[in-house]
Amino acid sequence: GDSVTQMEGPVTLSEEAFLTINCTYTATGYPSLFWYVQYPGEGLQLLLKATKADDKGSNKGFEATYRKETTSFHLEKGSVQVSDSAVYFCALVGGSQGNLIFGKGTKLSVKP
Amino acid sequence: DGGITQSPKYLFRKEGQNVTLSCEQNLNHDAMYWYRQDPGQGLRLIYYSQIVNDFQKGDIAEGYSVSREKKESFPLTVTSAQKNPTAFYLCASSIDRGQGADTQYFGPGTRLTVL
Repeated sequence: GDSVTQMEGPVTLSEEAFLTINCTYTATGYPSLFWYVQYPGEGLQLLLKATKADDKGSNKGFEATYRKETTSFHLEKGSVQVSDSAVYFCALVGGSQGNLIFGKGTKLSVKP
Repeated sequence: DGGITQSPKYLFRKEGQNVTLSCEQNLNHDAMYWYRQDPGQGLRLIYYSQIVNDFQKGDIAEGYSVSREKKESFPLTVTSAQKNPTAFYLCASSIDRGQGADTQYFGPGTRLTVL
């Protein structure tokens, strides 16, 4: 069935470092892809999304490009801040019911 | 402000008790969802509802029940049949299940602990 695989965390970076969180997917067809972020003790917020191949989603300095050749949607940011510390979830719309399918999440900690 | 509210934030339950988690939205969204989150795991779908008076089982519906009597409200009951109910529960909504279904808006969550 459809699934999402994210790099395991936790990821610890210093402020202003470059961030990459890998995400690959298995799905029938070309599903919409998403990154959600969860700050400590809160619900999830949509960070960015891409609905077709080669689309680039971007928000708050984060970017991800829908790569159908490699079935990937890696999250990147050029310079992280302490306030970016959170858990990041990659997701797609898929499965037999057309619901959101999430990866297990990657915890990011940014140190000053 | 439009959004999704969940209550309570923390809930403690004795074994064998049923408890109901509240979820309310004022976004005028048709579709609503309940997820369970466990440490180190992604979110797993419990139930979803596309419209009032209709709901469907998700991947892990056993031991849970829902109702959708009003568009704004989608309460989740964790029954005594749920073997391991301690988890973080998240409610979400989306405009509908069609083109807009993929962008979901989440509430702040309820942390349930079984004593």
